[in-house]
Amino acid sequence: GIQVEQSPPDLILQEGANSTLRCNFSDSVNNLQWFHQNPWGQLINLFYIPSGTKQNGRLSATTVATERYSLLYISSSQTTDSGVYFCAVSTSGTYKYIFGTGTRLKVLA
Amino acid sequence: GAVVSQHPSRVICKSGTSVKIECRSLDFQATTMFWYRQFPKQSLMLMATSNEGSKATYEQGVEKDKFLINHASLTLSTLTVTSAHPEDSSFYICSARVGLAAGELFFGEGSRLTVL
Repeated sequence: GIQVEQSPPDLILQEGANSTLRCNFSDSVNNLQWFHQNPWGQLINLFYIPSGTKQNGRLSATTVATERYSLLYISSSQTTDSGVYFCAVSTSGTYKYIFGTGTRLKVLA
Repeated sequence: GAVVSQHPSRVICKSGTSVKIECRSLDFQATTMFWYRQFPKQSLMLMATSNEGSKATYEQGVEKDKFLINHASLTLSTLTVTSAHPEDSSFYICSARVGLAAGELFFGEGSRLTVL
């Protein structure tokens, strides 16, 4: 099956810093989403981005499907950005969403 | 975005009992729902795909007799953990897909199961 790897696995930032999270996938996908899992376990939808670039406030994402990767940019990080960031991809034929390995982010005040 | 509600959020049960978790799409109809399981500090693992009016499709290695899934309506899917044992303790999360095929996923709040 498809493999979805995220990097870095762990990241510690000082408040106000910028960061880039990466999601690599091993096969063609027909969709990709980015999620933030908060400390209570709730998954928050960040981006639904099968291709191209989207921006929402301090966050933006880019997916280059032909090269099998997606990037999530966080600018001017805040302590509330702490948590785990997951990408999830779906493949044509199954349409199941497979999750990446995750990036655990901690933003220090 | 679409709203998915999951209940209960926490459940503690004795070994050997069965536990039912409900997942509801509140403001849309979901022909397909997905059940995931998450161990501490790990990613989400897909357990099964729940299709309204038909049998669930289980991922390899997931015991279908242990984890019973029923999707009786377009807004409700249930996961029943039968004869639960301590190794079944985990965080279970449901999701529903908006639209067909590669539609966007929305997640419930999750249910933390502890089996004593």
